[in-house]
Amino acid sequence: GENVEQHPSTLSVQEGDSAVIKCTYSDSASNYFPWYKQELGKRPQLIIDIRSNVGEKKDQRIAVTLNKTAKHFSLHITETQPEDSAVYFCAASMGGGNKLTFGTGTQLKVEL
Amino acid sequence: DADVTQTPRNRITKTGKRIMLECSQTKGHDRMYWYRQDPGLGLRLIYYSFDVKDINKGEISDGYSVSRQAQAKFSLSLESAIPNQTALYFCATSDIKSNQPQHFGDGTRLSIL
Repeated sequence: GENVEQHPSTLSVQEGDSAVIKCTYSDSASNYFPWYKQELGKRPQLIIDIRSNVGEKKDQRIAVTLNKTAKHFSLHITETQPEDSAVYFCAASMGGGNKLTFGTGTQLKVEL
Repeated sequence: DADVTQTPRNRITKTGKRIMLECSQTKGHDRMYWYRQDPGLGLRLIYYSFDVKDINKGEISDGYSVSRQAQAKFSLSLESAIPNQTALYFCATSDIKSNQPQHFGDGTRLSIL
């Protein structure tokens, strides 16, 4: 089955800096890669996703890149703000509505 | 946003008790999932269901059972609760026809003494 590895497990940045979280997947059949943000005590919420037919997708300060050959995908957050502090999960699946395999999460802390 | 509703939100119980966690959705999604979250271990899949007649084990199904009573309802049972089942439990839904990714409920915090 699919295996998703996520790094780093914790990340601390200064407000205004950029943050990058990286994931690798094992199954070349995976074609859908979402990212979820989980604030303390709340549900994971989808913040951005990418499908295998594109290499990059942006939404304001958030971007995701995908390298299918290397089976890597990354989340980039620019101009970080305190409200970006949360746990971020990457995931992979075959299709948007299908079963997801999650990474183990990255605790991002944005310091003032 | 209460389109995936989990009950109860919090539960404290004793070792050996039978517990049921319930999940209902108004999104019209066909697929439903139960996850367990422990600190540092991310989201681990317990069971999932692609439709009312389809139930599948996830990576950590031992000690748990599920029932898909209707397209909108998916319940998780702990037949005889043990302390290491203390965790945060999430229900999620997705839809294969419309390619809608997983949407999570607010979670149930379960403590077993």
